[in-house]
Formats: sequence, structure tokens, C-alpha cells
Amino acid sequence: SQTIHQWPATLVQPVGSPLSLECTVEGTSNPNLYWYRQAAGRGLQLLFYSVGIGQISSEVPQNLSASRPQDRQFILSSKKLLLSDSGFYLCAWSLAGVFYEQYFGPGTRLTVT
Amino acid sequence: AQSVTQPDIHITVSEGASLELRCNYSYGATPYLFWYVQSPGQGLQLLLKYFSGDTLVQGIKGFEAEFKRSQSSFNLRKPSVHWSDAAEYFCAVGALEGGGNKLTFGTGTQLKVEL
Repeated sequence: SQTIHQWPATLVQPVGSPLSLECTVEGTSNPNLYWYRQAAGRGLQLLFYSVGIGQISSEVPQNLSASRPQDRQFILSSKKLLLSDSGFYLCAWSLAGVFYEQYFGPGTRLTVT
Repeated sequence: AQSVTQPDIHITVSEGASLELRCNYSYGATPYLFWYVQSPGQGLQLLLKYFSGDTLVQGIKGFEAEFKRSQSSFNLRKPSVHWSDAAEYFCAVGALEGGGNKLTFGTGTQLKVEL
């Protein structure tokens, strides 16, 4: 069966510091991968998605970037965090060619101070 | 562009009572529809999905949902709520859009269960 991991589970970072959140998927090959941000009362906002290694689509221009260095690894980064980057970040995967049935990781709570 | 509306931000029900969570969507063609549940501090778990065919779909944990095209709705139901059902519930619609693929989520309904 497939499993998705995210780490760290929680993170407190000062404004202006860099960020790296990691997501890995096990048990499937060439998955579609997604990064979402969840703010209270605002549902989920899709940030990035990837259909393959090195292929990243950005949904919202912002202070964040994503990379996919390996087939089942997806990384969310920032060079300098802003207060507004605080939130709950969720990684998700779907089968190749099937974007709509997505499965989520446990999430990372990021607090920028 | 597709959109999803969950008109109830909070709902409180007594344990053992029936539950219906509302979801309305906007999309020009037949959508793919989903319900997810999220416990505090956790990721989202897929409860059920509708792609086509029978408009009443069964999911995990005793939940079901009915697709009503005429009302653009996909309401989630459970005949008897358990205290462990307390969580936040998200409706989502999936559709092709502008050459890309996307799931659009509603803002969620927080369910509280009174013992």
C-alpha cells in the first residue's frame, strides 16, 4: 500500500530565515505530487504540483518554491520567510494521470515569528 | 472556473442523531466530487468520491453522499453520528481547467458532537 510522509511535523522559524519542508511517498511510482497551504477558515490553497521529476507548476506566485529531485520526493522551500507564510502545509499525491483522487500526508504546522 | 460552497461553518449534533453536511458546486460539466475529513492537526482523509453512475455513493465510516445535478449539490449524510466523527469536513470538486488539473476545496464545516 502507499504511504506519504511529511517532516517536520511542526516548525517555528523567525522571519527572514530559510525553509525546507520535505514530502516522500512510498509504494507507488511516478505519482503526481502537490503542496497545499491551509489557513483557518479558508480551506486549502494549492501552491504547487508536479507530474514528474523536475516538473513543477506554480499556482500562486509568492515567497515559496518547490522542487522534485527524485520521483517520490517533493520539497517546499523559501529563501526568506515572511509572517504571512505561517500555516499548515499539506503534501498530497495521486496516481500518474489521475489528478483528482488525492491522498494527503499528515501536514506540517509552520509558525513564523 | 469551478467553485465549492459549504454554507455551514459549524454544525453541532447530538451523538446518535442524523447528520447532513451541505455542499454546492459550480462547474459547467459533470464534476468529480469528493468529501474529505480532517481531525485536528492531521492531514485529510478521503471519505468518498463520485465520478459517474449511481448518484448515491457510499464511503468509509458509514458516510454516504448524494449527487444532485439539478441542485448542483453533493451533500454528505450519516444516519447516526458517533462522538469520534467530530472533525472538519471538506467538499472538493475536481475538473480540468485551462489545460491544468485541479481540485478545488470548500472552506470546510466543523462538526461538533454532543454526548
